Amino acid sequence: AQSVAQPEDQVNVAEGNPLTVKCTYSVSGNPYLFWYVQYPNRGLQFLLKYITGDNLVKGSYGFEAEFNKSQTSFHLKKPSALVSDSALYFCAVKFWDSGNTPLVFGKGTRLSVIA
Amino acid sequence: AAGVIQSPRHLIKEKRETATLKCYPIPRHDTVYWYQQGPGQDPQFLISFYEKMQSDKGSIPDRFSAQQFSDYHSELNMSSLELGDSALYFCASSLGQGAGETQYFGPGTRLLVL
Repeated sequence: AQSVAQPEDQVNVAEGNPLTVKCTYSVSGNPYLFWYVQYPNRGLQFLLKYITGDNLVKGSYGFEAEFNKSQTSFHLKKPSALVSDSALYFCAVKFWDSGNTPLVFGKGTRLSVIA
Repeated sequence: AAGVIQSPRHLIKEKRETATLKCYPIPRHDTVYWYQQGPGQDPQFLISFYEKMQSDKGSIPDRFSAQQFSDYHSELNMSSLELGDSALYFCASSLGQGAGETQYFGPGTRLLVL
């Protein structure tokens, strides 16, 4: 069965420093990988996705993620963190089956950017 | 740009009562998904619809049912509510069934069962 793992419950980073939120996946077919961000009392906002093509995917708010097939990873990165990036980040996966497939989420990583 | 609309945003019910949550997808989106997020948990898939037909089913209890209407809005009907049903319920919509299609989430309905 497909799954994702986010090995860190919490990531702390100083404002202006680069940030990385880790995600590894396990799927039996070609993975479709997504990152979402959730602010307190808000819905999930889509950041970026990897479907095919370039391994480096650029998304919203200056975020990017690198798909690494050999390491089965899809880490989220940003060169310079902002305090406003503090939120809960979810990695999600699905793969093509015979029809619609739902997103399978990781447990989430809480990012705290300290001024 | 128009987003996914969910109503109500907050709901308080007693045990054994019923609740109906509504979801209005982004215009032209034909696919709707429902997810449940318990406190401190990741979202768990409940059920999805494509072109008014159920397309996939997850961990939805038998006490819950859902449907998608001709205008593509969807309703999640919850009966015999239990304390454990207290959660944030998200609706998401997408255009088409492709696995690469992005699901856009609504703000959620926070259900509290007392």
